[in-house]
Amino acid sequence: KTQVEQSPQSLVVRQGENCVLQCNYSVTPDNHLRWFKQDTGKGLVSLTVLVDQKDKTSNGRYSATLDKDAKHSTLHITATLLDDTATYICVVGDRGSALGRLHFGAGTQLIVIP
Amino acid sequence: DMKVTQMPRYLIKRMGENVLLECGQDMSHETMYWYRQDPGLGLQLIYISYDVDSNSEGDIPKGYRVSRKKREHFSLILDSAKTNQTSVYFCASSSRAKNTLYFGAGTRLSVL
Repeated sequence: KTQVEQSPQSLVVRQGENCVLQCNYSVTPDNHLRWFKQDTGKGLVSLTVLVDQKDKTSNGRYSATLDKDAKHSTLHITATLLDDTATYICVVGDRGSALGRLHFGAGTQLIVIP
Repeated sequence: DMKVTQMPRYLIKRMGENVLLECGQDMSHETMYWYRQDPGLGLQLIYISYDVDSNSEGDIPKGYRVSRKKREHFSLILDSAKTNQTSVYFCASSSRAKNTLYFGAGTRLSVL
């Protein structure tokens, strides 16, 4: 059973627009949540890590929220660029150390058009 | 420069052949992972290694084995590859102390 659900599956926006990606999960315990960016044919690159019960992070044009009560996270991308075209993957870790398991969503494919 | 390196990047094999995928990291991370990524699915854990010769099965270990004789190297071996092992394989490493996680660029394996 899929424990990390991402929506939408795919999204097309125009350059300069903002977008919001969603991640809902049922993983328990939920120690932390990471968002990764995966360019086509490349590996995953970490964008941010959220840890607290209600957490917010910001990394340039990327900002993210986590609500552990709702088991829900969002990734906001502001003023999108063509280089933001990629798959964005939500990952929930069930422990604070590498001894825990990581649970991966299938990703949201974002396409930014001129 | 912190890096996880996978070799080869692309590989085509025939069913029944043996396959060796290599992964190296230069960060002295204790923990290393092998995942496979298939279309429409999240990454699935094949094996996890907590340090040299300390390996554990992940969620889909059948048909795979691993070797970790040095901290910086982690190999994935497919003995007698099957067509359903066609996939993109990712290696990752992490540091317990820093709670960091790095991925390699992946190996695209096709088994014909």
